[in-house]
Amino acid sequence: EPEVTQTPSHQVTQMGQEVILRCVPISNHLYFYWYRQILGQKVEFLVSFYNNEISEKSEIFDDQFSVERPDGSNFTLKIRSTKLEDSAMYFCASGGGTNIGELFFGEGSRLTVL
Amino acid sequence: EDQVTQSPEALRLQEGESSSLNCSYTVSGLRGLFWYRQDPGKGPEFLFTLYSAGEEKEKERLKATLTKKESFLHITAPKPEDSATYLCAVQGAYGNKLVFGAGTILRVKS
Repeated sequence: EPEVTQTPSHQVTQMGQEVILRCVPISNHLYFYWYRQILGQKVEFLVSFYNNEISEKSEIFDDQFSVERPDGSNFTLKIRSTKLEDSAMYFCASGGGTNIGELFFGEGSRLTVL
Repeated sequence: EDQVTQSPEALRLQEGESSSLNCSYTVSGLRGLFWYRQDPGKGPEFLFTLYSAGEEKEKERLKATLTKKESFLHITAPKPEDSATYLCAVQGAYGNKLVFGAGTILRVKS
């Protein structure tokens, strides 16, 4: 069964360092997303990506964040200068488009900023 | 602003003891209401989509229903493997983002 894969599963970094989280969405999907979940809190939308550009972003997704689909398979989230409050589980998700809300989530990348 | 409130926060059931989880929502132009299951340390897993009031969907021991203000996830004769956090999310009129509730943590004991 096709699945969304994310790497790394856990990353520890120092405040101010750059971090890149990687995702391989399901191959025939067209819509790609990043969500995050701070420990004990709700799953929050960060950004959606369609047709090689950002289609929507939240207030959380400020200039420190960027996304890229550098080739036909990878989808990355970069945080330029990490802050303590960026510590969270980051989920990549993809959708086929037929049912826009039926998303397939990866297992997440846990980011710990010290 | 679209909002989702789920209750209860946590629910403990004995195996076979049926119950319901609630999801109340406010949204500008509901395009869809979604239920997801999340196991500890994992990403959410899609369960159901509901589009309009009166709609019902079923899968094994789960049934989801929708009114104009809330949705219920009914669990009939639950088993320990149904233990998980159940998330409700809505998609409003603008954009494709999902707005999630905080979830209900369900524990089913044998």
